[in-house]
Amino acid sequence: GAVVSQHPSRVICKSGTSVKIECRSLDFQATTMFWYRQFPKKSLMLMATSNEGSKATYEQGVEKDKFLINHASLTLSTLTVTSAHPEDSSFYICSARRPAGIYEQYFGPGTRLTVT
Amino acid sequence: SQQGEEDPQALSIQEGENATMNCSYKTSINNLQWYRQNSGRGLVHLILIRSNEREKHSGRLRVTLDTSKKSSSLLITASRAADTASYFCATGGFGNEKLTFGTGTRLTIIP
Repeated sequence: GAVVSQHPSRVICKSGTSVKIECRSLDFQATTMFWYRQFPKKSLMLMATSNEGSKATYEQGVEKDKFLINHASLTLSTLTVTSAHPEDSSFYICSARRPAGIYEQYFGPGTRLTVT
Repeated sequence: SQQGEEDPQALSIQEGENATMNCSYKTSINNLQWYRQNSGRGLVHLILIRSNEREKHSGRLRVTLDTSKKSSSLLITASRAADTASYFCATGGFGNEKLTFGTGTRLTIIP
């Protein structure tokens, strides 16, 4: 199967700082990537859809100025949590979808963010 | 909002037994997918069943779909310790349709 990587796998930061999470599709070009958030023992909630070369589409209730998404290339999307607060602590997972016609999303291993 | 709800929320069985998880959804669908998530990891796609299919098999996995009841089930036969994980159903994911996950079932296989 396709491989999607995330970096870092774990990050601890202080309240008020910003954290960048990278999502890379390693063996295919992904015109669309997705960012999800998952609370402990809960399901995945879609935060935003990231399209290469255009602005991300955010889900209702997700602050676009707080969760900055950049999809600068066909293999890389980044999520920056700005001015992080303890309530932003969560597990963030990205996924990448192959170009049109193929349905399957390939998920990264996730990033555990802890804001102290 | 969650499209699917799964039951049970948690399931513990002895190794070798069969595990059955159920998923119910609210709106009409084109397909339904099942994913596995090991603790603290990403998701792995297991199987997709289309709306015009009633049953699908993949190795020890058997998925059924009843569109009249808006429900699906995932059966894992002859469970193994390595099957311990959370299992999620999801709908959508085609074209511009976003992938919407169910609440998940935490499966524990007792050696």
